[in-house]
Amino acid sequence: GDSVTQMEGPVTLSEEAFLTINCTYTATGYPSLFWYVQYPGEGLQLLLKATKADDKGSNKGFEATYRKETTSFHLEKGSVQVSDSAVYFCALRKNTGNQFYFGTGTSLTVIP
Amino acid sequence: EAGVAQSPRYKIIEKRQSVAFWCNPISGHATLYWYQQILGQGPKLLIQFQNNGVVDDSQLPKDRFSAERLKGVDSTLKIQPAKLEDSAVYLCASSLAAGGLVGGELFFGEGSRLTVL
Repeated sequence: GDSVTQMEGPVTLSEEAFLTINCTYTATGYPSLFWYVQYPGEGLQLLLKATKADDKGSNKGFEATYRKETTSFHLEKGSVQVSDSAVYFCALRKNTGNQFYFGTGTSLTVIP
Repeated sequence: EAGVAQSPRYKIIEKRQSVAFWCNPISGHATLYWYQQILGQGPKLLIQFQNNGVVDDSQLPKDRFSAERLKGVDSTLKIQPAKLEDSAVYLCASSLAAGGLVGGELFFGEGSRLTVL
């Protein structure tokens, strides 16, 4: 069945370090791909998305490119801030049935 | 625009008791989801409604969990009787898009945290 696999955490980085969180997916057809973020004590909110191969989603300095050939959607940021400390979830949406499948989440802590 | 509303935010019950969670999606959103998020894990889909019909309830433990979405708007998720392993955050989400439309995102409520003692 359709699924998402993302790198295990937790991840701890110093401020201004480069961030990569790996995400790969298994899906039939052509899903849409998402990154959601959950800040402490808050609900999940959309960070960025891509709807077709080679699309790049971007928001708040974060980027991810939909790579069909490697079935990946890795999240990157060039210079993290303390305020980026959160849990990040990779997700896919089956466009036919509108089902969403989430990865297990990667906890990021950025230290000053 | 008002977001997805959920209540209660927190609930503590003893095992074998019952509990109900309520969700009001964003106005006009046809699709409503209930997810279970156990600490340290990703959200797991329990049930998906489109309008007031069930699209997917394959992972809903139907011997103890039930959900309804009357009139295609708000929804209630019930657990009866609760077990210790039901301790989790129950997330409601809604989506404007229906199946077949590319790209539609999920909007989440803040969740209802259940502790079963």
